[in-house]
Amino acid sequence: SQQGEEDPQALSIQEGENATMNCSYKTSINNLQWYRQNSGRGLVHLILIRSNEREKHSGRLRVTLDTSKKSSSLLITASRAADTASYFCATTGNTGKLIFGQGTTLQVKP
Amino acid sequence: EAGVAQSPRYKIIEKRQSVAFWCNPISGHATLYWYQQILGQGPKLLIQFQNNGVVDDSQLPKDRFSAERLKGVDSTLKIQPAKLEDSAVYLCASSPDGESPLHFGNGTRLTVT
Repeated sequence: SQQGEEDPQALSIQEGENATMNCSYKTSINNLQWYRQNSGRGLVHLILIRSNEREKHSGRLRVTLDTSKKSSSLLITASRAADTASYFCATTGNTGKLIFGQGTTLQVKP
Repeated sequence: EAGVAQSPRYKIIEKRQSVAFWCNPISGHATLYWYQQILGQGPKLLIQFQNNGVVDDSQLPKDRFSAERLKGVDSTLKIQPAKLEDSAVYLCASSPDGESPLHFGNGTRLTVT
């Protein structure tokens, strides 16, 4: 079963613009992670935010977490063509199992 | 460090045939995962190993899927017999301890005709 749901399902922007993806989940979590998947490749971990954190930064990535709304957002600033990929949120709850959402497909046009 | 290795990269079989996938995790990683990713969807956990023991196999279709991790290192996932709906990418991932972020291989794309 899928825990997270990403929104939008697909996003197309111009290089240099910011991209925002949202993730909503259903049950309480210990942490939330974001992964990137380039076409035909495995997933690559981007960032992890714990349930007691509200915001985290890593380079051009900014992740927020609102546990009261059971939602998270991933912001990619100053996007590049190389950011074209699918982005997945994944949550870990009390079971310790990492459950992925359906993903957002991002296209960055040069 | 070397990444998670998976083989084969692609496999095409007919329904009712059997197939096996192999995974070699990052050296020293105790936790190994097999995920199934159907086109356009997120990965779904099939089975999780901690060393050579099974932690979670609740979503593994045990009537046709089996997995083993002998000696707590590399792992094999088998499907017998395959169905059309098994067409997907099978991803292997590993983690040092089951709490750290996962490292994924590039997957095996299975097509069942």
